[in-house]
Amino acid sequence: EIVLTQSPATLSLSPGERATLSCRASQSVSKYLAWFQQKPGQAPRLLIYDSSNRAIGIPARFSGSGSGTDFTLTITSLEPEDFAVYYCQHRSNWPPGMYTFGQGTKLEIK
Amino acid sequence: EVQLVQSGAEVRKPGESLKISCKGSGYSFTNYWIGWVRQMPGKGLEWMGIIYPGDSETGYSPSFHGQVTISADKSISTAYLQWDSLKASDTATYYCAREGGTSFDYWGQGTLVTVSS
Repeated sequence: EIVLTQSPATLSLSPGERATLSCRASQSVSKYLAWFQQKPGQAPRLLIYDSSNRAIGIPARFSGSGSGTDFTLTITSLEPEDFAVYYCQHRSNWPPGMYTFGQGTKLEIK
Repeated sequence: EVQLVQSGAEVRKPGESLKISCKGSGYSFTNYWIGWVRQMPGKGLEWMGIIYPGDSETGYSPSFHGQVTISADKSISTAYLQWDSLKASDTATYYCAREGGTSFDYWGQGTLVTVSS
């Protein structure tokens, strides 16, 4: 079973700053990693799939990179609406698949 | 517009049964897998299982296999998540999500299930 470890658990930044969130897999997942954003009381929203592809409607300030075991979600110039919890996720053996989520990184306003 | 609309909040007692639903619209419901994700209060996301409404093929997380049943009725574009005997530890928000081929690209609004005596 693949384990995804996100760091840091909490990231405190100010609007306008750059955020760098990390996700490490316990074994290689090739490029098959997605990132989600979740705000309080809302469903998760897909941001990035296959490591670096932005989902429909996602602003260009969100970017993803990495392959193998180390992945990064970067948010350039944070907007007030970007403060939320971010999860990475991997899918294997699809279909039907086995899905794993990281434990999340909370991006909070400093 | 793709939409997944889930049934409303439920309150049950331990030992009771429950079936919650997720109705898809705006796309070909039978051609996309639908997954279920649990979020316990204040906690992260946990994948429970998935179903292909076209032929009702399912897959379950080992953590949830035997604990819940996932089904679908393609005639009404609806997927279901069912418990035969709820426990207090099943208290959570449950999300359905469409597997778009690369990940879960559309999500329902969530159904809060509260199990309390």
